[in-house]
Amino acid sequence: AQSVTQLDSHVSVSEGTPVLLRCNYSSSYSPSLFWYVQHPNKGLQLLLKYTSAATLVKGINGFEAEFKKSETSFHLTKPSAHMSDAAEYFCVVSIASGTYKYIFGTGTRLKVLA
Amino acid sequence: DAGVTQSPTHLIKTRGQHVTLRCSPISGHKSVSWYQQVLGQGPQFIFQYYEKEERGRGNFPDRFSARQFPNYSSELNVNALLLGDSALYLCASSSGTLEQFFGPGTRLTVL
Repeated sequence: AQSVTQLDSHVSVSEGTPVLLRCNYSSSYSPSLFWYVQHPNKGLQLLLKYTSAATLVKGINGFEAEFKKSETSFHLTKPSAHMSDAAEYFCVVSIASGTYKYIFGTGTRLKVLA
Repeated sequence: DAGVTQSPTHLIKTRGQHVTLRCSPISGHKSVSWYQQVLGQGPQFIFQYYEKEERGRGNFPDRFSARQFPNYSSELNVNALLLGDSALYLCASSSGTLEQFFGPGTRLTVL
């Protein structure tokens, strides 16, 4: 079975400081991992994805994530937070077999302080 | 190109009623998935259809049903609505591979 755990439900950072959103996964198979962002009253937007290629994945808006198999982690980082980054972030695991369904974490709400 | 579209945007129903939500996938995509997002939680998988066949079903009661049409659009039906069905219902389309593209969702409120 697959699952993801987002270790922080809320994260607050000051504008211009680094962002770290933590995600651990569990999967019986080689997983594919994604990070999505959801702004208030909006749908989900893909930030980046890992599908067994390079372990350091670069996404949109300056975000990146590193797949670490030994730690079963896929943490999301950004060097410098912007006010527009304030949103809900979801870590997602899926496998390339059968249903291809997405399993979402519970989300991390990022607050950016001026 | 148009993304995934969903209708209606918002919906208010009362307990016991039924509801139909609609989704049009990205042109060329043959797979549609439905997710329920209760306030404060991550989306939960409900159904996935590919080429009009049900490919997967999540842990939801039989009050939830769905279908996919020849043009690959899809409907999600919920019968005998409960207060707990109040949520954002998200539709996602894909070409049959892992990456899914999400629509803006339908906000359902059950009173």
